[in-house]
Amino acid sequence: DAKTTQPNSMESNEEEPVHLPCNHSTISGTDYIHWYRQLPSQGPEYVIHGLTSNVNNRMASLAIAEDRKSSTLILHRATLRDAAVYYCILSYSGAGSYQLTFGKGTKLSVIP
Amino acid sequence: GAVVSQHPSWVICKSGTSVKIECRSLDFQATTMFWYRQFPKQSLMLMATSNEGSKATYEQGVEKDKFLINHASLTLSTLTVTSAHPEDSSFYICSAPDLTGGGETQYFGPGTRLLVL
Repeated sequence: DAKTTQPNSMESNEEEPVHLPCNHSTISGTDYIHWYRQLPSQGPEYVIHGLTSNVNNRMASLAIAEDRKSSTLILHRATLRDAAVYYCILSYSGAGSYQLTFGKGTKLSVIP
Repeated sequence: GAVVSQHPSWVICKSGTSVKIECRSLDFQATTMFWYRQFPKQSLMLMATSNEGSKATYEQGVEKDKFLINHASLTLSTLTVTSAHPEDSSFYICSAPDLTGGGETQYFGPGTRLLVL
């Protein structure tokens, strides 16, 4: 299984940008890179995903390294509502199962 | 984005009773749904894959006779915790993949908190 490595925790000041790193050195060519986040006592929430190119949506941006061995989730202006555990996950594209394997994620704290 | 609902959102039951949790995809069809369990301060652990029209597949260490899964339709999967015991107290979360946007995005339910007394 291709695994990901994330820092256990990070802090950010409110209204500042946040860069959440993820290493996935054993990623295969067809693996998508997904980011989900989980607020306390809630189910995970989809944030963004990508394959090779950088991606932007209303929630965040995803920057993918050229060799795809790492990626960075960028929150452009952190708010208190962004305090959550962020999970970087590789999806097993092509296998047909679509299951996700969650690691420990990064707990983001946002300081007012 | 797509919406997945769960019912109930929380349940308290006595030891030895059975509890049924429903997972519904509200605006898309899901031939496959996933059931996770999350203990306090831990990550999500996949329990089983629910397949519409066929038997569920369980992860290693998950008792299929204890955690009964029925994928009755393309929008509904149920997880029944039979003869629940206090160690089954946990946060149960389902998810369903929406393939329409590409990349196999998963949408998660809000979770069901089970407390077994």
